Amino acid sequence: AQKITQTQPGMFVQEKEAVTLDCTYDTSDPSYGLFWYKQPSSGEMIFLIYQGSYDQQNATEGRYSLNFQKARKSANLVISASQLGDSAMYFCAMREAAALNAGGTSYGKLTFGQGTILTVHP
Amino acid sequence: NAGVMQNPRHLVRRRGQEARLRCSPMKGHSHVYWYRQLPEEGLKFMVYLQKENIIDESGMPKERFSAEFPKEGPSILRIQQVVRGDSAAYFCASSPGADFRYTFGSGTRLTVV
Repeated sequence: AQKITQTQPGMFVQEKEAVTLDCTYDTSDPSYGLFWYKQPSSGEMIFLIYQGSYDQQNATEGRYSLNFQKARKSANLVISASQLGDSAMYFCAMREAAALNAGGTSYGKLTFGQGTILTVHP
Repeated sequence: NAGVMQNPRHLVRRRGQEARLRCSPMKGHSHVYWYRQLPEEGLKFMVYLQKENIIDESGMPKERFSAEFPKEGPSILRIQQVVRGDSAAYFCASSPGADFRYTFGSGTRLTVV
């Protein structure tokens, strides 16, 4: 069974500083994908960044980067230059490998971690 | 270019009533996923549907829960005879194909009293 672990229930960071949110995963499948989502207090789920298991380089999206260490099975999210609006819950998720629909195409069933609440202080 | 629309945003039901949660996918999206988020937890997969077909319902409770995605109209998640443990946020996501980068709706928060 696949598993995602986020060991930090809460994190605090000063505005304009960088912060790393931890995520480790467990899978025996060679092909998988890792995601980070942001959930602000309003409740919606916002996609931030994606890393494929075969991607050679760490993913980056603006101020977000994913520190992918395959051997350690970790996929930490790094937020640079934190802003007050970054205060939210952050979820790491993994796409289950080899889930096929009727057409033989894999589909995006995700397993989520418990989340980390990030608070950015002014 | 409307996103994934879920309604209602908040739903209160008494124990034993039925809850119907609606999800209108983005225009052109024919794949829908439903997830449930219990308090203080991450999202958990419930069901994956394509138009008129349930592809994977491995996360759905065996009783009282059902989902559909008709040829016309929104996807519906139906919970019969709700109990307090059904209180949660229910999220829908859609994609144009069997694509992992789907878009989430804002969720429906169900409270059972």
